[in-house]
Order: sequence, then C-alpha cells, then structure tokens
Amino acid sequence: EAQVTQNPRYLITVTGKKLTVTCSQNMNHEYMSWYRQDPGLGLRQIYYSMNVEVTDKGDVPEGYKVSRKEKRNFPLILESPSPNQTSLYFCASSSRQGTDTQYFGPGTRLTVL
Amino acid sequence: QQQVKQSPQSLIVQKGGISIINCAYENTAFDYFPWYQQFPGKGPALLIAIRPDVSEKKEGRFTISFNKSAKQFSLHIMDSQPGDSATYFCAARAGTGRRALTFGSGTRLQVQP
Repeated sequence: EAQVTQNPRYLITVTGKKLTVTCSQNMNHEYMSWYRQDPGLGLRQIYYSMNVEVTDKGDVPEGYKVSRKEKRNFPLILESPSPNQTSLYFCASSSRQGTDTQYFGPGTRLTVL
Repeated sequence: QQQVKQSPQSLIVQKGGISIINCAYENTAFDYFPWYQQFPGKGPALLIAIRPDVSEKKEGRFTISFNKSAKQFSLHIMDSQPGDSATYFCAARAGTGRRALTFGSGTRLQVQP
C-alpha cells in the first residue's frame, strides 16, 4: 500500500529535550516536506526536500532541522523544543513527474511543556 | 499575512443540501488550486484541483468554480452526505520549484442526517 508513515503519532515532551519525528514514504517520491497545522492558520510549510541531500527552508523553519540521507526518509528534528512548537505536524511527499498531488502522513501531535 | 483567505470557518448543512466553501487569494503567481479533505485523526487528502486556465472542474458531487479576475475559487458539494463531514482546506501553489502549498485556514463541515 502506497503511504507516508510518521512516528510517533503522539508525543509529550519538556522544553529543551531534543526530539526527532520520523517520516517515511514507499512511493519513491523525490519531493518531501514538513508542515505544521495550527488552529485558524491552516498548514504551513516548515522545510522541504527536492531530493536526497537537497533541503531548504519553508515558511516557518525557525527551531527545526531536517535531513535527507535516503530518498524514502525525511526526519524532522527539534533540537531544543519550546512550547510554541506545540502543534500537529504532517509530512508529505510527491513525485516530480506526473501529477502535483501531495500525499500526507497521518500526523504527529506534539505537546511541549 | 494570510495569502489564501477561506470562509466560512464552520458550516452546517442538511443531508442532500449544497455545501459551499469560498477562498480568495492575492498572489497572481499561483497556478494550481487544490482542495484537501481532512477527517479527524488523519492527514489531508487531495479531493479535487484546478488550474487557472479553466473556470470549472467537476468530479462526481464535487465542483470547483474558479474566477481568475476576482482571484476567487470555491468548492461546491452537491447532495451533501453525513460522510462528507470533515475539515476542508483550500490551497494554492506558485510554480513547480518549491512545491509549497499555501493553505487556507480550513472549514469544518458538518452534514446533519
């Protein structure tokens, strides 16, 4: 089954404790990105990657890091989480060829105390 | 600054009725306008999309109407069903480089039986 998976689905942590949210896709997509969803703001792009070893900032990159060492994986790293990073996070992927459809993962709900 | 404005924030429709959600944008570089449907606990999923060279696109009970001169587009759900109850996001994208989707703030649709 073609899908984007994220782990963990739920995470409660404390300020300053480094964490990683993993994202993996099995569709051989070149393009992957991370979004955060906040009430009344829709989804906003954090970082994106056009291909392996190619990453760039989105609209709200402050406080986040990413890496793309393998085509299928695109982890999101919060090195020193703060309460304003409490949010619902989505990973998405799409192919550079063909349709523009972005496929979203199921989401990770993060709470930073 | 929200580049895509969506209304209403919430909508209650009776089964069999028509649901209408509106979006407006400012950036004339946008060239792809998708609508995403999100059920609780799930990631957004592409519902229907349109490019600005057409004024309307229909897929089953879902229709996008696009007004390029007014910089507005809307989603119409005909014969609304309880299973359509979800949050709907309009989005827009400029070009194929970054592929970032700029999302509206979302509309929570409830279809009453």
